[in-house]
Amino acid sequence: KQEVTQIPAALSVPEGENLVLNCSFTDSAIYNLQWFRQDPGKGLTSLLLIQSSQREQTSGRLNASLDKSSGRSTLYIAASQPGDSATYLCAGAQGGSEKLVFGKGTKLTVNP
Amino acid sequence: GAVVSQHPSWVICKSGTSVKIECRSLDFQATTMFWYRQFPKQSLMLMATSNEGSKATYEQGVEKDKFLINHASLTLSTLTVTSAHPEDSSFYICSAPVIGTGDDLAQFGPGTRLTVT
Repeated sequence: KQEVTQIPAALSVPEGENLVLNCSFTDSAIYNLQWFRQDPGKGLTSLLLIQSSQREQTSGRLNASLDKSSGRSTLYIAASQPGDSATYLCAGAQGGSEKLVFGKGTKLTVNP
Repeated sequence: GAVVSQHPSWVICKSGTSVKIECRSLDFQATTMFWYRQFPKQSLMLMATSNEGSKATYEQGVEKDKFLINHASLTLSTLTVTSAHPEDSSFYICSAPVIGTGDDLAQFGPGTRLTVT
């Protein structure tokens, strides 16, 4: 059974800082891994999707990496802004299924 | 782009009553939809897979008689919380895979906040 863990649970940084969010998963037979953003009381916004055959994906200031052998993924945010403040969730899918197993998320606060 | 909507966005009901939550794919068809539940400060947990024209598949520990799922058309799935209790208060989110994009991304709805008093 896949388990997804995110560390840290919360992170507070000053504006402009580069930061890394961590995600680990127990089953390396992962189909893909996604990073989402969730604002308080809101649904999910998909940020990046990494297929099992890929090692990283980039979108603007965001870069996500995937290392299946170590069971880890990271989300790198460059030049953080107060608008980046949200909870970031990673989720893994297995075996071609669109069913996702989510981590508990990292709550990011970027202070102006 | 593909959009999934949910209705209502929030609902308050009394203990013992039933509540229906709708999940719609607005501009694409979805033979499968997924229902998740998120308790405060917890991760999203998959409750069930909704299948158009057939019975839903429930995850272990989820009572199928309490959480009734109906996927009557290719654009609509409903989740009915029957005889709701305060412990059912949660954030319910649905998703639908957008087939054919190459990534088969799951598009998530905005969620429904249920409060049972």
